[in-house]
Amino acid sequence: EPEVTQTPSHQVTQMGQEVILRCVPISNHLYFYWYRQILGQKVEFLVSFYNNEISEKSEIFDDQFSVERPDGSNFTLKIRSTKLEDSAMYFCASSKNQPQHFGDGTRLSIL
Amino acid sequence: AQSVTQLDSHVSVSEGTPVLLRCNYSSSYSPSLFWYVQHPNKGLQLLLKYTSAATLVKGINGFEAEFKKSETSFHLTKPSAHMSDAAEYFCVVSTGYGSSNTGKLIFGQGTTLQVKP
Repeated sequence: EPEVTQTPSHQVTQMGQEVILRCVPISNHLYFYWYRQILGQKVEFLVSFYNNEISEKSEIFDDQFSVERPDGSNFTLKIRSTKLEDSAMYFCASSKNQPQHFGDGTRLSIL
Repeated sequence: AQSVTQLDSHVSVSEGTPVLLRCNYSSSYSPSLFWYVQHPNKGLQLLLKYTSAATLVKGINGFEAEFKKSETSFHLTKPSAHMSDAAEYFCVVSTGYGSSNTGKLIFGQGTTLQVKP
């Protein structure tokens, strides 16, 4: 069965550095999402992406965040200048409609 | 606005006994509801979904959930727990509606299921 794949599985970054999280959605899916889960908290929506543009974003998704689909397969989340509070598990998801299919996540640790 | 509330943060059962994980929802229209499971160090796996068809929904690994509009509930059950069921379970509502909606997902707080031998 097709899967959403995310790399790396764990990213350790110094505060203030840029980080790019990568996702390969399921190939025939058209809708792409990023969520995050801070340790001990709920899974939260960050952004959805369709037809090469953001369709919805949350309050968390400020100017430090950006998403891109640079080619026909990858979907990336960039954090421009990381903060300690960006430490979390980041999940990518994709769908044709519902349900959304999730990757295994990238654990981002900011030092 | 849509929301879900999982009534138990932690549930402990013995292997072979029934499982009940409780979820209440709030929605201004007929919701799309899901249960996802997260095993340690793994992603979120879909267990089952409700999208306004049959109110009793069967999922993978013997789980099922019943949509009760009068009680605004969508509880997850399994007749007999297995050790491999130990995981975190999330009740989730979509902000879109209909079977083809693409709305963002809103997650409950999660319920940790412990299965004792």
